Amino acid sequence: AQTVTQSQPEMSVQEAETVTLSCTYDTSESNYYLFWYKQPPSRQMILVIRQEAYKQQNATENRFSVNFQKAAKSFSLKISDSQLGDTAMYFCAFGLSGGSYIPTFGRGTSLIVHP
Amino acid sequence: DSGVTQTPKHLITATGQRVTLRCSPRSGDLSVYWYQQSLDQGLQFLIHYYNGEERAKGNILERFSAQQFPDLHSELNLSSLELGDSALYFCASSPRGRAYEQYFGPGTRLTVT
Repeated sequence: AQTVTQSQPEMSVQEAETVTLSCTYDTSESNYYLFWYKQPPSRQMILVIRQEAYKQQNATENRFSVNFQKAAKSFSLKISDSQLGDTAMYFCAFGLSGGSYIPTFGRGTSLIVHP
Repeated sequence: DSGVTQTPKHLITATGQRVTLRCSPRSGDLSVYWYQQSLDQGLQFLIHYYNGEERAKGNILERFSAQQFPDLHSELNLSSLELGDSALYFCASSPRGRAYEQYFGPGTRLTVT
């Protein structure tokens, strides 16, 4: 079974600063996807970024980028130029490619951006 | 707006009761996934339907059941409700062949008293 661990229950950052959220996972599979989802106070789950394990290049979406270390099974999210609207719970998630898709989520990191 | 709709937004009911949560996927999506988000268990996958057929089951209790109808909307039925069933229930849909590309609905907040 796959597991996803987010070791930082809470983090805070000043507006315009950079913050990194950590995620580690455990799997014996080689083909999979990794995700970061954002859940603001509105409760809506929003996909922030996706990384395919076979791609060596780290995914980037505007101010959001990941540091994917496949051998270390690490998948951290870097948020640059933090904005007040980035305040949310962030969930790291894992999903196998092929076969039945059963995603596994971490417990989340609560990020607060201070003005 | 993800294009996935869920009703109702909030539901308050008593222990022992039965409720039905409804989800309509994005136009063109054939897959519907159900998730439960609770404080103690986090976000957990419950069940996946594809074009009316059950495809995968996660940590879904026997008291819970789901189905997907010919118009592709899905219903999650929760029966013999317990206090511990209080949670946020999400559904998500995905395009054909891209299960990893999930679009979440706004969720239904269930409170069991």
